[in-house]
Amino acid sequence: DVVMTQSPLSLSVTLGQPASISCRSSQGLVYSDGYIHLNWFHQRPGQSPRRLIYRVSNRDSGVPDRFSASGSGTDFTLKISRVEAEDVGVYYCMQGTHWPFTFGPGTKVDIK
Amino acid sequence: QVQLVESGGGLVEPGGSLRLSCAASGFIFSDYYMTWLRQAPGKGPECLSYISGSGDYINYADSVKGRFTISRDNAKNSLYLQMNSLRAEDTAVYYCSRDPRPLDFWGQGTPVTVSS
Repeated sequence: DVVMTQSPLSLSVTLGQPASISCRSSQGLVYSDGYIHLNWFHQRPGQSPRRLIYRVSNRDSGVPDRFSASGSGTDFTLKISRVEAEDVGVYYCMQGTHWPFTFGPGTKVDIK
Repeated sequence: QVQLVESGGGLVEPGGSLRLSCAASGFIFSDYYMTWLRQAPGKGPECLSYISGSGDYINYADSVKGRFTISRDNAKNSLYLQMNSLRAEDTAVYYCSRDPRPLDFWGQGTPVTVSS
C-alpha cells in the first residue's frame, strides 16, 4: 500500500499567521488519466471530513482563498496564508491513485 | 444539494454481522461510483470498498475482503455494506462517499462498536 506521511503532526498557530503542512507519498501518484490524485481534507471534532483541495491544487467550491496547495512527484504542501479560528481541526492528505486509496495520519491544528 | 445519510450502525458482538445503508439524494445516483470508508477512534480514514454505478465493478481493501460485501440498489438510490465476522478492530465510524478517487461528498457517518 502507498504510505502517506505528514509533518508536522501537530501545529499551534497564532491567529492571522500562516501555516504549512507537508505530505509525502511512498511512491509517485500520477494516474493513467495523467492526473495526480492527491486530495486534502479538513475535519472538525465530531464532524465528517470535508474536502478542501483535489488533484493537488484545486480548491473546492466555498473554500476560502487563504487555502492553497501545491506539489509534484511525492511531495505536497497545504498552506493557510492567515489562520482563522474556524481552521482548527485535523488536516489529512489522501492519495486516490493506487488502490487501496490511503490517508496520511493527520495534522492537528489549533490556535496558540 | 448532495446528501448522503448512513444508518444501521450499532453495538455487535465479535463474530456478529451488521448491514449498513447509505441513502443518497441530490444527484443521479446511478451515474456515480460509491465508496465506503471508516475511521477508527483517533485515526485517519480508511477506504474499504467501492462499487461502480452499474454495480459491475467492485473492489475491496484487504482488511475487509471476504468479510464485507458492498452492493447498491439504483432504484432506491441506496448503497449497502454487509459486514460479517466482525472483529474488535472493525470498531469505527463508517462513512459513505461518492467516487473513491475524489471523495467529494461524505455522509455524517454511523458508528459501529464490536465488543462483548
